[in-house]
Amino acid sequence: AQSVAQPEDQVNVAEGNPLTVKCTYSVSGNPYLFWYVQYPNRGLQFLLKYITGDNLVKGSYGFEAEFNKSQTSFHLKKPSALVSDSALYFCAVRDPLRNTDKLIFGTGTRLQVFP
Amino acid sequence: EAQVTQNPRYLITVTGKKLTVTCSQNMNHEYMSWYRQDPGLGLRQIYYSMNVEVTDKGDVPEGYKVSRKEKRNFPLILESPSPNQTSLYFCASSFAPAEKLFFGSGTQLSVL
Repeated sequence: AQSVAQPEDQVNVAEGNPLTVKCTYSVSGNPYLFWYVQYPNRGLQFLLKYITGDNLVKGSYGFEAEFNKSQTSFHLKKPSALVSDSALYFCAVRDPLRNTDKLIFGTGTRLQVFP
Repeated sequence: EAQVTQNPRYLITVTGKKLTVTCSQNMNHEYMSWYRQDPGLGLRQIYYSMNVEVTDKGDVPEGYKVSRKEKRNFPLILESPSPNQTSLYFCASSFAPAEKLFFGSGTQLSVL
């Protein structure tokens, strides 16, 4: 069965420092992977996705994610964090062998960027 | 402006009183879904629809109904709400399964 894990409930980082939010997955085929961000009192917003191709994917707001097939990971990264990046981040996976709109979401990681 | 519109934003009701949460998208998307968000559990899919009159169960469909009579609308129906359905609900839509989801702003439901 497909699944996705976000091992950290919260990540704290100082403004200007690099940040990493971790995600690992388990699917039967080659995965479609996504990152979404949720700001307070808002719906989720798409950040980036990986389907195929270059393992380093660039997305919105300066975020990027690295697909690592051997480690079954898709960590979200940003070289220099901003206070405004503080939000709840969700990793999601879709198994392309299942022709549905179904995404499996992780439990979320709260990113707190301190001034 | 491309958007997914959910109503109401907040809803407090009592056990057993039928309610409907509306969802509408203006992007001509074929795919629409409902999710509930609970602390520590992330987002879990309730129902999804791949097109008009085509709906299917997600991971947690018990106690919910949906319909897709028009492409733009995908209402979520709770026939007899119970306190364990207290949650934050999101509607989402997309062009295709591999494409990004567009989410509504959410509906915070409290069932007393």
